[in-house]
Formats: sequence, structure tokens, C-alpha cells
Amino acid sequence: GQNIDQPTEMTATEGAIVQINCTYQTSGFNGLFWYQQHAGEAPTFLSYNVLDGLEEKGRFSSFLSRSKGYSYLLLKELQMKDSASYLCAVADSNYQLIWGAGTKLIIKP
Amino acid sequence: DTGVSQNPRHKITKRGQNVTFRCDPISEHNRLYWYRQTLGQGPEFLTYFQNEAQLEKSRLLSDRFSAERPKGSFSTLEIQRTEQGDSAMYLCASSFDSSYNSPLHFGNGTRLTVT
Repeated sequence: GQNIDQPTEMTATEGAIVQINCTYQTSGFNGLFWYQQHAGEAPTFLSYNVLDGLEEKGRFSSFLSRSKGYSYLLLKELQMKDSASYLCAVADSNYQLIWGAGTKLIIKP
Repeated sequence: DTGVSQNPRHKITKRGQNVTFRCDPISEHNRLYWYRQTLGQGPEFLTYFQNEAQLEKSRLLSDRFSAERPKGSFSTLEIQRTEQGDSAMYLCASSFDSSYNSPLHFGNGTRLTVT
């Protein structure tokens, strides 16, 4: 079967750094996406990785290791507005997205 | 580009009634997706269209659910004989070409409550 695993909830402090992990087992791989979703709102695109390594975009970075079926999203200089759910999604061999359940990130002052 | 638009934002209906939701994708996007999401879960794939053609439908999807995209622009999702288990957020998303790294652009969803 196809499976995406990520922690259910994480807590971090404003100004700190947090790493949200995602492991996956899918039939084929055509890239991994991270989305941010604030409560009651639509998911919004953060990053895409298809090759191994780190992609940096401002305060957010995303890492991929295809051999390990592993990715992480790194958030630096945390702000209160970063409190949200972070969804990991993998495009399978048919380019269909397989979604994780999301990681709820709570930022404390 | 006004983004993906979904209507209505909220729908409360009684069990057994039919409901229809509408999605207007970003105009130049040729792919349109419907997802369902419940609290604490990721989006669950329902169906998608390439232009007006419905290319895939989830095997888990009841035959009470039907979707159309008649002219390759807006789409409708209809649920017949609603059940309480249908209560969820229904999300529409569009993309230009998902065979590449084109991300999905989501609408704000329609929250359905079946009483």
C-alpha cells in the first residue's frame, strides 16, 4: 500500500527552529510537496523536491532523500503566524498526490 | 488571476437531501481536482479532470457522488441522498500541468454539514 507518515503535532517557541519529518512508501515517485494549511483555510503550496538535497526558500527549507523515503521541512525564525498544519504529499507513478495527515505546529511565545 | 473559487462556503443539509457544489478554477489551468478533508486528516482524493474529461475517480467514492466539468472550465460536485458521514470540507484544486512540478492551487472549500 501507499503510506505517508508525519508526526501529528509539534510545539516550538517563537524565534526558534523546527524540523517536521515525513516518511513515505509509494508506488513510484514523481516529487514531494509541502503545503501549509491554517485552520479553516485551504492548503497553500510551500515547496517541491524531486531530487535529493536541500531546497531553501527564505525561512523555509525542504530536504529530500529518495533512497530513504524521507523528507523534512525546516522552519527558521519561527513566527506566531507559522502556527498551522503542514502537509506532506508525494506524487506517485501516475502523478497522483498521496497525502499525509498533516503535522499541527503550535508556536508558543 | 483571482484564484480558485468555491461556492457555497458552507452548506447545512438534512440527511437524504441532494447537494451540489461549484468550483471555478484558475482560468488557464486545465486540470481540476476534487478532494474531501476531515479534521486532522490530509485531503482525500475524489476525482480529477483534464479539461472536460474525467480521467480518474477514487475507487472509494460512492456512486452517490458525481462530478462534471462540462466545458472544461467550472466544475460541479453533486452528492445524492446525503449521509452524516458525508460531512466534511470539500476542496477543489487546479493546476496547469501535474505531469511536472506544477503545484495545486486550492480553493477555500465548501464545508458540508449533514444533520
